Amino acid sequence: NAGVTQTPKFRILKIGQSMTLQCTQDMNHNYMYWYRQDPGMGLKLIYYSVGAGITDKGEVPNGYNVSRSTTEDFPLRLELAAPSQTSVYFCASRISGGEETQYFGPGTRLLVL
Amino acid sequence: DQQVKQNSPSLSVQEGRISILNCDYTNSMFDYFLWYKKYPAEGPTFLISISSIKDKNEDGRFTVFLNKSAKHLSLHIVPSQPGDSAVYFCAASAGSARQLTFGSGTQLTVLP
Repeated sequence: NAGVTQTPKFRILKIGQSMTLQCTQDMNHNYMYWYRQDPGMGLKLIYYSVGAGITDKGEVPNGYNVSRSTTEDFPLRLELAAPSQTSVYFCASRISGGEETQYFGPGTRLLVL
Repeated sequence: DQQVKQNSPSLSVQEGRISILNCDYTNSMFDYFLWYKKYPAEGPTFLISISSIKDKNEDGRFTVFLNKSAKHLSLHIVPSQPGDSAVYFCAASAGSARQLTFGSGTQLTVLP
């Protein structure tokens, strides 16, 4: 199993551009999450999904959109990138049914200039 | 309003000694707590966890203690090894989707 994979590893965007951060997991996990980590801070939840077709907002959803058309994929869309979205983005997944551990991908580092 | 706090940004210990990392929380709805370890340019990796119905959980060199009345948990690493040098995040779980709320992390450095 590859676990949770994220692409790209690093990206530079200009203000106002858009992009999609990709996240795929091969563990057949129902739950998937997107977090961002700013320097010196903890991870903050952007969006999450409890299964294909179901998504919900986390603590910091503004400026982002998500979709979940399959169990495996949970892409995060940035529209009109702003410097405040410069961060490291982590995707995570978790199986349902009592298991609490979330498994994280390696992250995407995004710089908006 | 930080619901999970790690008040020590950094901690240095000698190899072989005990490392104690602390975490405080404010939300009484948290019912499960996890510690993650993170190396630079990698994603967090799960280390150890504890349910709110317990006060201690051990896994090898790692022990987590939970004091619910004080809303405090700690991670003990004994003996500490240089490979333990990393950022350690405390996280608390709540809600139907078990969303995690993270502390800001503690950089542990184990000196040889």
